[in-house]
Amino acid sequence: GDSVTQMEGPVTLSEEAFLTINCTYTATGYPSLFWYVQYPGEGLQLLLKATKADDKGSNKGFEATYRKETTSFHLEKGSVQVSDSAVYFCALQAYSGAGSYQLTFGKGTKLSVIP
Amino acid sequence: NAGVMQNPRHLVRRRGQEARLRCSPMKGHSHVYWYRQLPEEGLKFMVYLQKENIIDESGMPKERFSAEFPKEGPSILRIQQVVRGDSAAYFCASSRQGGSSGANVLTFGAGSRLTVL
Repeated sequence: GDSVTQMEGPVTLSEEAFLTINCTYTATGYPSLFWYVQYPGEGLQLLLKATKADDKGSNKGFEATYRKETTSFHLEKGSVQVSDSAVYFCALQAYSGAGSYQLTFGKGTKLSVIP
Repeated sequence: NAGVMQNPRHLVRRRGQEARLRCSPMKGHSHVYWYRQLPEEGLKFMVYLQKENIIDESGMPKERFSAEFPKEGPSILRIQQVVRGDSAAYFCASSRQGGSSGANVLTFGAGSRLTVL
């Protein structure tokens, strides 16, 4: 079945450091790819998405490129801030086989940014 | 815009009791999804509903779990005769478009955390 693997956390960075969170996927078709972010005590929020190969999703300084050849969708940010501290989830959306498209999530990567 | 509202945020039940989790979708959204997050795991799809209809329940356990989204009121995820393995965070999401699209964007609630003693 479809699956998403993302790097283990927690990740601790100093403010203004460069961030990479690796994400690879396995899917039979051509899924859409997403990054969601969960701040403490809140629900998951869509951070960015890409719907086809070589698309680059970007938002709030974060970006990720849909790489079909390596089945990857790594999240990057050039300079993190304390306010970026959260749990980041990589996800793919593909046909469930029962009438709809649904999300498959990775386990999440907790990021802590220290001043 | 109140977003997706879930309640209760925390629920404690003893083995054998029933758990009911409620979800009110965002205003204007008529599609509701339930996901479960077990400890140290990613979110897993459970069920997708529209008003008065279950569209896709391929992720629901075969026994003890049921979901509904009535014409009026919130969607409810019901777990009968809970066991310790049901302890998890249950997330509800909603969307304006349906799950027939491969790029459908979901808005998630903050989750309901069920603890079974």
